[in-house]
Amino acid sequence: AQSVTQPDIHITVSEGASLELRCNYSYGATPYLFWYVQSPGQGLQLLLKYFSGDTLVQGIKGFEAEFKRSQSSFNLRKPSVHWSDAAEYFCAVGAGQAGTALIFGKGTTLSVSS
Amino acid sequence: DGGITQSPKYLFRKEGQNVTLSCEQNLNHDAMYWYRQDPGQGLRLIYYSQIVNDFQKGDIAEGYSVSREKKESFPLTVTSAQKNPTAFYLCARFSRGGGADTQYFGPGTRLTVL
Repeated sequence: AQSVTQPDIHITVSEGASLELRCNYSYGATPYLFWYVQSPGQGLQLLLKYFSGDTLVQGIKGFEAEFKRSQSSFNLRKPSVHWSDAAEYFCAVGAGQAGTALIFGKGTTLSVSS
Repeated sequence: DGGITQSPKYLFRKEGQNVTLSCEQNLNHDAMYWYRQDPGQGLRLIYYSQIVNDFQKGDIAEGYSVSREKKESFPLTVTSAQKNPTAFYLCARFSRGGGADTQYFGPGTRLTVL
C-alpha cells in the first residue's frame, strides 16, 4: 500500500537549535517527494521537492531534506530554527504526473520555544 | 497563493443545504485538484480534473460534485449527502517543470455546518 508516515505528531524546539522532521514512505513507483508547510488557517506552501539526482535538496527558508532510498526516508532539516518556523509540516509522495494525487502524511506540528 | 484563489475563506452552511466553493487559477494550467483536510489528518483527494469537461473521483468523492466548464475554474459543491462536511478544503493546481511536476495550493476555505 502507498503511504507516508510522519512519526512525530508534535515537536518542540528551542529557537536557534537544529531541527529534523522525519518522513518515511511506501510507494510502488519512482517517488517524487515533497515537503510543504502550513501556517494556521492557511494553504500549503512548498518548501522543497526531490525527484532525482543529488539526494540532498535545498529549499526555501533555509530548509533542506535528504532522500535515502534504502531507508525509504525523506527527512527535513534546518540548522537553526527561528520562531517564525512554528507551523505544521507535511511530507508527501507522488508520481509526478498530472493525473495522480499526492499522498500526504498526517503532519508534524512544530512549536518553537524562546 | 500559489497562483490559485479560493473563495470564500469561511463558509457556514445549515444541514441539508448544498454549498459551492470557488477555485480559480490564472496560470493556464490544465490539472486542478480538490483536497479535504481534517484536524490531525493529512490531505485526502476529493476530485481532480486534467482538462475541461473531464474530471475523476478521488478517494473521498461521495457527497461532493465538481464541474470544469472553463480551464481557469474548478468549483466544488458539497451536497447534503456529505455526512460530515465540516472541514478545511484546499484546491491545487498542477505545474510542470523544474524537474518535478508539482502541486501548488490555494489559501483554502473553511466550511462549517451549523
